Amino acid sequence: GAVVSQHPSRVICKSGTSVKIECRSLDFQATTMFWYRQFPKQSLMLMATSNEGSKATYEQGVEKDKFLINHASLTLSTLTVTSAHPEDSSFYICSARDVRGLGGYTFGSGTRLTVV
Amino acid sequence: AQTVTQSQPEMSVQEAETVTLSCTYDTSESDYYLFWYKQPPSRQMILVIRQEAYKQQNATENRFSVNFQKAAKSFSLKISDSQLGDAAMYFCAYLSREYGNKLVFGAGTILRVKS
Repeated sequence: GAVVSQHPSRVICKSGTSVKIECRSLDFQATTMFWYRQFPKQSLMLMATSNEGSKATYEQGVEKDKFLINHASLTLSTLTVTSAHPEDSSFYICSARDVRGLGGYTFGSGTRLTVV
Repeated sequence: AQTVTQSQPEMSVQEAETVTLSCTYDTSESDYYLFWYKQPPSRQMILVIRQEAYKQQNATENRFSVNFQKAAKSFSLKISDSQLGDAAMYFCAYLSREYGNKLVFGAGTILRVKS
């Protein structure tokens, strides 16, 4: 089945620094990937849609300059949290759709970001 | 805009018993997908079952089955012979073609399995 690899699984960074999270589709090509944010015991909140070779599409209320998304290849999307602050601490998840399948999306294992 | 509602924040079931998780959605589309995802404590999202809206037959995957009522816009998940490993957060999700093929999630239901 389709596999999405997300790294790192956990990261702790100092306030004011930037953190990059990678999302890779291992056995399929993904022209579109999605980035979510999840708070404890809550649902997934879509942050942005990452499009290969073009600009990401951000959901309303998500700061584009804070959460930089790059989708440079058909198998890799990155989310960079710039000038991180403690309120950016959260669980971030990526997903991709394997168009060979029946419409389902595969998710990465998530990244727990802690900003101190 | 499409919305997905899960009205049960928490549910409990005895091991080996059956439990049903509720999900309703609102849409004006006729062609869409519905999903149930499981998120165990590891927080890895796992696809449990999917349903294409144009199919009248309810999807089944081993102990997991759905009751899809298109007219009522209802999509419940039945877990039979519940196991301790079924304990997780369950999310109902809607895939919208009009909405850029984005998944819309419900708030989730925490399922506890008692031994």
